[in-house]
Amino acid sequence: GAGVSQTPSNKVTEKGKYVELRCDPISGHTALYWYRQSLGQGPEFLIYFQGTGAADDSGLPNDRFFAVRPEGSVSTLKIQRTERGDSAVYLCASSLSGDPTAGELFFGEGSRLTVL
Amino acid sequence: GESVGLHLPTLSVQEGDNSIINCAYSNSASDYFIWYKQESGKGPQFIIDIRSNMDKRQGQRVTVLLNKTVKHLSLQIAATQPGDSAVYFCAENVDGSGNTGKLIFGQGTTLQVKP
Repeated sequence: GAGVSQTPSNKVTEKGKYVELRCDPISGHTALYWYRQSLGQGPEFLIYFQGTGAADDSGLPNDRFFAVRPEGSVSTLKIQRTERGDSAVYLCASSLSGDPTAGELFFGEGSRLTVL
Repeated sequence: GESVGLHLPTLSVQEGDNSIINCAYSNSASDYFIWYKQESGKGPQFIIDIRSNMDKRQGQRVTVLLNKTVKHLSLQIAATQPGDSAVYFCAENVDGSGNTGKLIFGQGTTLQVKP
């Protein structure tokens, strides 16, 4: 596609439920990132993939969060036993090389997660 | 700890005036900085970047200034237009090697352009 695509755009769930958020990066981009943005804050890094492997998952807040990218393209962010504090916009971004100093990240419009 | 922050939460300017948005960072090892624009309901959009071996970089209507001595970054927008209204974030590359893609974002400044 022309840009980074994220689905769903909005997700409302109940506390304790399982949620999957999907990211389809720009075709040919090997690097993929997940960020989380709480209301009124800047995005916070969660995880970075180079190809199929997670090169840096140091931003995942706890073991309820997990992300995969099995074929090096589409990625899924998975959240188990959701909590109200997980409510945020989850942003996905991709870049051609993975070196942020070599060019910009292209962000999707995000998936807004609301945990009731 | 390291942090990136903005001095003012909201900046209101008249259409046609120049805008200056400021950002302070605390990690002296950061070597790459980026400004993003985020409109309501959308993801951040790249504006301009600068490496730590430079103190100024210009784009189309935008200029980024970097002062490493005081760890300060600014974004200047010339002849501000209504379409510039958005939240502006500065971000820094945490890993000096540039290999992780991990960025730390500031809290953001809302730019309001009055017609």
